[in-house]
Amino acid sequence: EIVLTQSPATLSLFPGERATLSCRATGSVSTSLAWYQQKPGQAPRLLFYDASSRASGIPARFSGSGSGTDFTLTISSLEPEDFAVYYCQQRSNWPLTFGGGTKVEIK
Amino acid sequence: EVQLLESGGGLEQPGGSLRLSCTASGFTFSSYAMTWVRQAPGKGLEWVSGVSGGGDNTYYADSVKGRFTISRDTSKNTLYLFMHSLRAEDTAVYYCAKGRTGTHYYFDYWGQGTLVTVSS
Repeated sequence: EIVLTQSPATLSLFPGERATLSCRATGSVSTSLAWYQQKPGQAPRLLFYDASSRASGIPARFSGSGSGTDFTLTISSLEPEDFAVYYCQQRSNWPLTFGGGTKVEIK
Repeated sequence: EVQLLESGGGLEQPGGSLRLSCTASGFTFSSYAMTWVRQAPGKGLEWVSGVSGGGDNTYYADSVKGRFTISRDTSKNTLYLFMHSLRAEDTAVYYCAKGRTGTHYYFDYWGQGTLVTVSS
């Protein structure tokens, strides 16, 4: 099973700051990785698939990168609505797995 | 507009069974992979089970293999999760989600979730 480790667990930032979230896999997943955003009481929302392909309606301040075992989600300038929990997910190997999440909170 | 509506959650005793349903609309149901993902209270996301667009291929997390069964009825545009031998650790909100393609297991639409509580 591919284990995804996200870091940091919590990121405390001010609006307008840059956020850099990491997802590391225990084996190569090539670029078969997605990122999701989840706000309290809501279902997750797909942000990126195939590591860097932006899903429909996702603002350009979000970017995804990486391949193999190391992936990054970057938010160039945090807006108030971006404070949420972010998860990565791999589809390279069964079973599918999610990372433990990174909470981006307002400082 | 794509919509996914889960139902069937509730309180069940350990060892009991439940059937979750997810009624889909707004897309050609038979053309897309579907999945169940759960989230225990205050915890992260855990993938549970998936089925390909044609229904030929099914997949399970080790934690539910042999106890849960996923299926789809294209005539009713409905995805199911049959849950048996329930355990306290199965307590979670269960989401159904739509794959981006028939075999593309990234999930672009999600339901609102249904809560399953396993407790005596």
